[in-house]
Amino acid sequence: QKEVEQDPGPLSVPEGAIVSLNCTYSNSAFQYFMWYRQYSRKGPELLMYTYSSGNKEDGRFTAQVDKSSKYISLFIRDSQPSDSATYLCATPNRDDKIIFGKGTRLHILP
Amino acid sequence: EAGVTQSPTHLIKTRGQQVTLRCSPISGHTSVYWYQQALGLGLQFLLWYDEGEERNRGNFPPRFSGRQFPNYSSELNVNALELEDSALYLCASSSDAPRTFGSGTRLTVV
Repeated sequence: QKEVEQDPGPLSVPEGAIVSLNCTYSNSAFQYFMWYRQYSRKGPELLMYTYSSGNKEDGRFTAQVDKSSKYISLFIRDSQPSDSATYLCATPNRDDKIIFGKGTRLHILP
Repeated sequence: EAGVTQSPTHLIKTRGQQVTLRCSPISGHTSVYWYQQALGLGLQFLLWYDEGEERNRGNFPPRFSGRQFPNYSSELNVNALELEDSALYLCASSSDAPRTFGSGTRLTVV
């Protein structure tokens, strides 16, 4: 089982919709989680990170962690065409290597 | 504040050649990480340097090597290039766990 799994998509949603992006992880020892956004031909950009279960909100973005089910989510409200990108979830393992999901490609349709 | 800068942005090499990629971290960041992002494989951890020392290494052959200089900038060297080395090579720096990425060097091996 891969340490972090993520549906590659693509996920296409209409502008203004709520987007839900999800990852599962295998190791209950993972302590904190990150979401990165990567535009084409660019490096990943850190969007949010959270250390605990529950929700963390930043503008239109909400990160949610459910440690009991080893499930992390990123919600985007009022989605915009500029949100079209690949979204990667990530978590450091015990060797402090950041383990990335393969990313979900998101298309926001105008 | 300047972000993580990488050079060159693009590079084309032939099989068997050697290549050197460069990275300048964000001012004040002492850790530099190198990742390979090949099509379909996601972000793969290569190397981690901190305070001039190699701290950790991913599952890559020894022909992938690097170093970190006293000013915390870093080089990634790849010897005996193979076609499958074609990828986006990303450098990231941090002073804490979340990494900040550069825009990467796109290496094409022909």
